[in-house]
Amino acid sequence: GQQVMQIPQYQHVQEGEDFTTYCNSSTTLSNIQWYKQRPGGHPVFLIQLVKSGEVKKQKRLTFQFGEAKKNSSLHITATQTTDVGTYFCADLNSGGSNYKLTFGKGTLLTVNP
Amino acid sequence: DTEVTQTPKHLVMGMTNKKSLKCEQHMGHRAMYWYKQKAKKPPELMFVYSYEKLSINESVPSRFSPECPNSSLLNLHLHALQPEDSALYLCASSQGRRDYGYTFGSGTRLTVV
Repeated sequence: GQQVMQIPQYQHVQEGEDFTTYCNSSTTLSNIQWYKQRPGGHPVFLIQLVKSGEVKKQKRLTFQFGEAKKNSSLHITATQTTDVGTYFCADLNSGGSNYKLTFGKGTLLTVNP
Repeated sequence: DTEVTQTPKHLVMGMTNKKSLKCEQHMGHRAMYWYKQKAKKPPELMFVYSYEKLSINESVPSRFSPECPNSSLLNLHLHALQPEDSALYLCASSQGRRDYGYTFGSGTRLTVV
């Protein structure tokens, strides 16, 4: 099946530094979703990207979908300790009326205060 | 109500036990999901229910048996599990359409001894 590759696996930053995680697919993605999972927590939906070249912002978070819809990125400006967690991209495959969300391996972000 | 509620939060069971995990949502979502998550790994899809019917089974062993009694409830019956089945079991729900994210419950942390 379709797989989404996510890099880096880990990222440690000083508070105030920027952070970016990338997702790549060998095939065209119909849409991509981003989730955050805090340590000991559960995935929380952040955003969905659908259109080629789409850019969406949520405060310090910027999400991009590539022009070919084969890659996506999440950029956090000026990280804070509250940003700690694992960020997953997820590909929403559709087959008829069924929807199947498949997660990338995730990027674990740690922030040194 | 914008939550998915899972019970119990923690479960320790022996390999000969039978237990059930429960999941409930009152958001009117028509699709419900079971995911399994091992430590430091992404969630892996197990089952999808759409309009109370099982629509996807990701080749899950028969010792895991899902049940959807109605549109708000989802159960996962466990029987004769193995220690390697120890994991965080996440329930999620969604509108079952492409333009919405999934809402995850806080999970049941299962230990098989």
